[in-house]
Amino acid sequence: GDSVTQMEGPVTLSEEAFLTINCTYTATGYPSLFWYVQYPGEGLQLLLKATKADDKGSNKGFEATYRKETTSFHLEKGSVQVSDSAVYFCALRKSGGGADGLTFGKGTHLIIQP
Amino acid sequence: SQTIHQWPATLVQPVGSPLSLECTVEGTSNPNLYWYRQAAGRGLQLLFYSVGIGQISSEVPQNLSASRPQDRQFILSSKKLLLSDSGFYLCALKERGTGNTIYFGEGSWLTVV
Repeated sequence: GDSVTQMEGPVTLSEEAFLTINCTYTATGYPSLFWYVQYPGEGLQLLLKATKADDKGSNKGFEATYRKETTSFHLEKGSVQVSDSAVYFCALRKSGGGADGLTFGKGTHLIIQP
Repeated sequence: SQTIHQWPATLVQPVGSPLSLECTVEGTSNPNLYWYRQAAGRGLQLLFYSVGIGQISSEVPQNLSASRPQDRQFILSSKKLLLSDSGFYLCALKERGTGNTIYFGEGSWLTVV
């Protein structure tokens, strides 16, 4: 079946450091890929998405590129802030039929220290 | 834009008691609705989804059930809670005909004691 694998962390960085959170997936066909963010005590918010190969999703300084050849969707940010501390989830979704829901990775806890 | 309301936000219930978590949505019609559970160290798991009133599909066998009595209302229930039902429950929606993004509510924390 479909699956998403991401580094679980916690990942601890200093403010203004460069961030990479790796995400790889296994799926048949052509899924859409997503990054969601969960701040402490809150629900999930969509951070960015990409719907086809070579698409780049971006939002709030975060970027991720849909790489079909490596089945990856790594999340990057050039300079992190303390307010970026949260849990980040990589997910995929295939349209049409079945559950029509999302398959999530286990989440990566990011801690940014001032 | 669409909004998702969940309540209660937090709940502490004894083992064997019933459960009802409610989710209502606004700003959209005939959405797909979902219940996810986030348990400690286990990521997010899809529990139920619904494509319309009275239409419920279950993804995993469990102690819980779901109902959709109205287009914009999705209820998660249990007759007798187990300790293993503790977790963070998230309602989500996907709008019809507007692509494939799924949006989440703020979640409900359930602790079974």
